[in-house]
Amino acid sequence: TQLLEQSPQFLSIQEGENLTVYCNSSSVFSSLQWYRQEPGEGPVLLVTVVTGGEVKKLKRLTFQFGDARKDSSLHITAAQPGDTGLYLCAGGAGNMLTFGGGTRLMVKP
Amino acid sequence: DAGVIQSPRHEVTEMGQEVTLRCKPISGHDYLFWYRQTMMRGLELLIYFNNNVPIDDSGMPEDRFSAKMPNASFSTLKIQPSEPRDSAVYFCASTSSGGLGEQFFGPGTRLTVL
Repeated sequence: TQLLEQSPQFLSIQEGENLTVYCNSSSVFSSLQWYRQEPGEGPVLLVTVVTGGEVKKLKRLTFQFGDARKDSSLHITAAQPGDTGLYLCAGGAGNMLTFGGGTRLMVKP
Repeated sequence: DAGVIQSPRHEVTEMGQEVTLRCKPISGHDYLFWYRQTMMRGLELLIYFNNNVPIDDSGMPEDRFSAKMPNASFSTLKIQPSEPRDSAVYFCASTSSGGLGEQFFGPGTRLTVL
């Protein structure tokens, strides 16, 4: 069974701070996806990374896929209250995804 | 595109009752997934279909759970009889085999079994 461990599980920070969320596995994935989920809604895809070492930027969010395609990180610069939510990483194998446990982020104004 | 549609959005029922959750995937998507989300266990895959055929139901907790996909635009997840431990948010998601496996989720059904 492929498992994805996310850390930290909870993070509460002040507006303007930077943060990094980690997603680690002992398994190799063909792709790594990051989703954000807001209360009362389903997860929404933020980014997909497929190449080992790949870095993608989405405004203040930077995503990195590990060289061995077993881990990933999400870095948010100058966090804003609108970034509050549950961040989920998911490892892809074929058309199936294995989800991590999630990081619940709260950004206080 | 309307996205993935789920109904009902909220369901409150009593233990022992039958519950049916419904999902309409995005048109053209050939994969459909049912997930359950709880605080304790996170997002768990229950079952998924490809071209309306169930491929992997190993995540279905027990025989009380069943899922069908009679056509490409409709799927149901049924719990009979329901138990309080089934209380959770149930999500349906769909994807196309032509993409990178990105899944598009519905808004979920919040199920409460009393």
